[in-house]
Amino acid sequence: NAGVTQTPKFQVLKTGQSMTLQCAQDMNHEYMSWYRQDPGMGLRLIHYSVGAGITDQGEVPNGYNVSRSTTEDFPLRLLSAAPSQTSVYFCASSPLYSGETQYFGPGTRLLVL
Amino acid sequence: KQEVTQIPAALSVPEGENLVLNCSFTDSAIYNLQWFRQDPGKGLTSLLLIQSSQREQTSGRLNASLDKSSGRSTLYIAASQPGDSATYLCAVKDFNAGNNRKLIWGLGTSLAVNP
Repeated sequence: NAGVTQTPKFQVLKTGQSMTLQCAQDMNHEYMSWYRQDPGMGLRLIHYSVGAGITDQGEVPNGYNVSRSTTEDFPLRLLSAAPSQTSVYFCASSPLYSGETQYFGPGTRLLVL
Repeated sequence: KQEVTQIPAALSVPEGENLVLNCSFTDSAIYNLQWFRQDPGKGLTSLLLIQSSQREQTSGRLNASLDKSSGRSTLYIAASQPGDSATYLCAVKDFNAGNNRKLIWGLGTSLAVNP
């Protein structure tokens, strides 16, 4: 099993550009989520999904879109990048049962100039 | 609103020491508490998960305890090694998180174990 994979590992964008951060998991997990990690603020939930075709907002969803067309993939889209979106982005997955831990990808480091 | 605090923010110890990392949370109505490890430039790895009905969990040299009534958890690392150097994060899942599966995170303790 590859677990949770994320691409790219690092990306530099100019303000206003768009891009998609890719996330895939091969564990057949129903639940997938995106977090951002910023110094002094800890990890914050952006969007999450409990299954294909079902997505919902986390605590910091503004500026980000997601979709879940398959169980395996959960891409995160930045429609018009802003410097405030400079961060490290982590994708995570887990079974739907709340008692299970979440498995994290290696992260995407994004710099918006 | 649930808040998670980790003390100390940073810790430097010589190899071989036993050490304790602390995590406190403000609302005792939690589903579970987890300890994660994060290496520089890497993702997060789950170390131990303690359900709300449990008092402790052990894995190798790691032991995590949970005291819901006092809002505290400790991660005990026995006979520390340089390979234990990393940031350790504590996260709680609120009892009412529902489908959100939202974890509330501490800021972490950065551990350096010196040879």
